[in-house]
Amino acid sequence: DTEVTQTPKHLVMGMTNKKSLKCEQHMGHRAMYWYKQKAKKPPELMFVYSYEKLSINESVPSRFSPECPNSSLLNLHLHALQPEDSALYLCASSRPGRGGRYEQYFGPGTRLTVT
Amino acid sequence: AQKITQTQPGMFVQEKEAVTLDCTYDTSDPSYGLFWYKQPSSGEMIFLIYQGSYDQQNATEGRYSLNFQKARKSANLVISASQLGDSAMYFCAMREGSGNTGKLIFGQGTTLQVKP
Repeated sequence: DTEVTQTPKHLVMGMTNKKSLKCEQHMGHRAMYWYKQKAKKPPELMFVYSYEKLSINESVPSRFSPECPNSSLLNLHLHALQPEDSALYLCASSRPGRGGRYEQYFGPGTRLTVT
Repeated sequence: AQKITQTQPGMFVQEKEAVTLDCTYDTSDPSYGLFWYKQPSSGEMIFLIYQGSYDQQNATEGRYSLNFQKARKSANLVISASQLGDSAMYFCAMREGSGNTGKLIFGQGTTLQVKP
C-alpha cells in the first residue's frame, strides 16, 4: 500500500482565518514533506521532516507552520494567509529503497483558495 | 547548482503509439537519482520510474522505460503503446543530497495529450 491521504481536498479561507491541513501515511516512512504547487508549475518544496524533526525549511513565511505529532501524521497550520498563497498543497513521504532510491509518494493534495 | 530541464512544454501522441519525453540534467555530484512523475488533472503526483546514477541498465516499469544517457546527462521517458489515460503533466526530477531526506529538484514539466 503506497497511500498518502490528505484532508481536506478543498479549502477556502479568508485572510484572517486560521486553518490546518492534514497528511497521513501508514507505510512506516520516516521522512515527510510539504510542497506548494501553482497551476502549470512544478512543486516547490516547503518543509521536510525526518524522524519527526524539522530538517529543511525552505525559507517559508511564518504564516505557514508545520507540525509532525508522530511518525504517521504531518500538519500544516495556516494563519493570516495572502491571496497569492492560493495553490495546491501536496504532502509526500519517503522510505529508503533498493539502492537508496528514496522515491517520494504523494498525496492527492489540498486545493487552497485564500479570499 | 543542480538543474533539470524539460524543453517540451506540450506534446501530442496518437493512441497506441510510443512517445518520448525529454529530460536533461546538470549536476557535479557523481551519486544522484532521477525520477519521473505523472500528474493528472486531479492533482496527485504519481511515481512512475527511477534511475540511479550507478545503475548499469536502463530502468523499465511496464509501459514506461527510461532512456538514460549518462554522458549526455539525459534521462528521457519513453511511454509505449500510449493510452488515453496517459494524458497528464509529466515531471522529471533529480534527488539532491543523500539520505532519506534528499530534496527533489523538478523540471518545468511536459503536458502530454493522447489523441484517440
